[in-house]
Amino acid sequence: DVKVTQSSRYLVKRTGEKVFLECVQDMDHENMFWYRQDPGLGLRLIYFSYDVKMKEKGDIPEGYSVSREKKERFSLILESASTNQTSMYLCASSFRGMTEAFFGQGTRLTVV
Amino acid sequence: RKEVEQDPGPFNVPEGATVAFNCTYSNSASQSFFWYRQDCRKEPKLLMSVYSSGNEDGRFTAQLNRASQYISLLIRDSKLSDSATYLCVVNKEGTGGGNKLTFGTGTQLKVEL
Repeated sequence: DVKVTQSSRYLVKRTGEKVFLECVQDMDHENMFWYRQDPGLGLRLIYFSYDVKMKEKGDIPEGYSVSREKKERFSLILESASTNQTSMYLCASSFRGMTEAFFGQGTRLTVV
Repeated sequence: RKEVEQDPGPFNVPEGATVAFNCTYSNSASQSFFWYRQDCRKEPKLLMSVYSSGNEDGRFTAQLNRASQYISLLIRDSKLSDSATYLCVVNKEGTGGGNKLTFGTGTQLKVEL
């Protein structure tokens, strides 16, 4: 079975903190994605990566950065957390090409 | 204009009904298309891919019209277990060669007794 694992299910952080969300996949997928999901807005793409050290901005990259030092791991970084970054964050991975994406179970981040 | 647009619903239908969802996409360079299903408080999972020729998987039929940039999903003989949010997904090659997957906001389906 494909497994995409996100490091935390629930996280509470303070405004201004630097926050790291980690995602690991075990299927040797080239593509990895970070989305946030908010009621009424659906899943919005923050960043995606198609290879080690390669990344591309999604639709809402402001306030976020990413790191992909190893193929299996894709990290989302909130440089200075703000309350409007309170959301459900979902990581996904897929093979290169037009194939199925597999999701982690999500991290519910609350910034207070 | 949003890249992928769906009617948010909710669609409330009786068990056994046939229900259709529609989706439009704005970028004609989009290369592949999918329907995902998301249950409450769960992650999205692939329901089916969508091909120009149309494809069927049991009670589910998906159709793509590239000329109109329109995707549809038909569910026949609805079951209570079909209650979920259905997400239209469009794949386009990114500038660096990766795949950019863009999701619609989803259509909520509630199947009732």
